[in-house]
Amino acid sequence: DSGVTQTPKHLITATGQRVTLRCSPRSGDLSVYWYQQSLDQGLQFLIQYYNGEERAKGNILERFSAQQFPDLHSELNLSSLELGDSALYFCASSPHLGTGSHTGELFFGEGSRLTVL
Amino acid sequence: GQNIDQPTEMTATEGAIVQINCTYQTSGFNGLFWYQQHAGEAPTFLSYNVLDGLEEKGRFSSFLSRSKGYSYLLLKELQMKDSASYLCAVRDDNAGNMLTFGGGTRLMVKP
Repeated sequence: DSGVTQTPKHLITATGQRVTLRCSPRSGDLSVYWYQQSLDQGLQFLIQYYNGEERAKGNILERFSAQQFPDLHSELNLSSLELGDSALYFCASSPHLGTGSHTGELFFGEGSRLTVL
Repeated sequence: GQNIDQPTEMTATEGAIVQINCTYQTSGFNGLFWYQQHAGEAPTFLSYNVLDGLEEKGRFSSFLSRSKGYSYLLLKELQMKDSASYLCAVRDDNAGNMLTFGGGTRLMVKP
């Protein structure tokens, strides 16, 4: 157990809909990262927040947005969903602005599996 | 930008040794990571290299050559439970210090 909690674990919805994925980082971690993993693909970086502020942006679609709240939990909002958005969405956390502890590792949640029909 | 390459799939036999290679190109290299990911599960941290050389941790070792932009993960005494994807990731000072992952190498261990 990494200490990172993601909800929901599974979500099935229709094209055109909007969903919100939630992440609670490890206790004390200030950085939250969102990654997308499509079937048999690598992890694609979406966005990073540190202590409530956006710090880095990857290949995140305009239909997607995220935020980090004062209690440090984060939400990823996906709107106007398309079939191609079906994927595992991982949240990861680390203590610092840079990745992780002295090694720089990220601590991943179990992911939210989104299926768009 | 960054470019990280690793083989898509590898197969090895239980008890054997396998080496998974990773090459990368990055402008502000600040560490290379290996993660293990079982299908449908979260990636878990295996190893970290920031200086050249070999880091050994039990059955797993990881090597880095910064001048060659090259790393490998060595798995010894393979077990069936080692069947998983192995993800190479690079941390870049010029990219917000987050990790950029390669596509992963799916390792299948056969009896």
